[in-house]
Amino acid sequence: EDQVTQSPEALRLQEGESSSLNCSYTVSGLRGLFWYRQDPGKGPEFLFTLYSAGEEKEKERLKATLTKKESFLHITAPKPEDSATYLCAATPYSGAGSYQLTFGKGTKLSVIP
Amino acid sequence: DTEVTQTPKHLVMGMTNKKSLKCEQHMGHRAMYWYKQKAKKPPELMFVYSYEKLSINESVPSRFSPECPNSSLLNLHLHALQPEDSALYLCASSEGQGTYEQYFGPGTRLTVT
Repeated sequence: EDQVTQSPEALRLQEGESSSLNCSYTVSGLRGLFWYRQDPGKGPEFLFTLYSAGEEKEKERLKATLTKKESFLHITAPKPEDSATYLCAATPYSGAGSYQLTFGKGTKLSVIP
Repeated sequence: DTEVTQTPKHLVMGMTNKKSLKCEQHMGHRAMYWYKQKAKKPPELMFVYSYEKLSINESVPSRFSPECPNSSLLNLHLHALQPEDSALYLCASSEGQGTYEQYFGPGTRLTVT
């Protein structure tokens, strides 16, 4: 069964304190690994897509990386406006779920001024 | 422009009412999705339309009825809902099914009384 597990469930950082969020996945071949940001009561906002191990993508203070078993979302010098829930999702290469996103439960990030 | 719009933003309905949720995108995407999201949970896939045809129905109760009038529009017709159906309903679209990233709308907050 395809699974995506995110850790930690919640993370509190001081402003400027860099850290990483983890997303481990077990899917039958990976088509794509996606990161989203979600603010309370709003729809997820697309951040990154990663396709193969070793790939990295950056956007402002965020950097996503991918290995064969997990992905990391690195947050450098976070600001309070980075506070949100970060969702990781994977699409397997084949099988019944090959056209669907399997989501992790998310990491709730709080950045304290 | 990566905008998906949804109306209404909020909806309160009784268990005997019939209502519809609407979703629109003008990105030329050929796949559109309905998700249901409960508080502190990740989105759960309900339906997928690909090239205006229903391709995936995740065993959703018949009180939810999707419709795709054209490639830009997606509706979700609601009838005889239960209080446990109260949730955030999200629409998303992507270039096609599979690898492509999905772009989400802001959601409709549904309360069933």
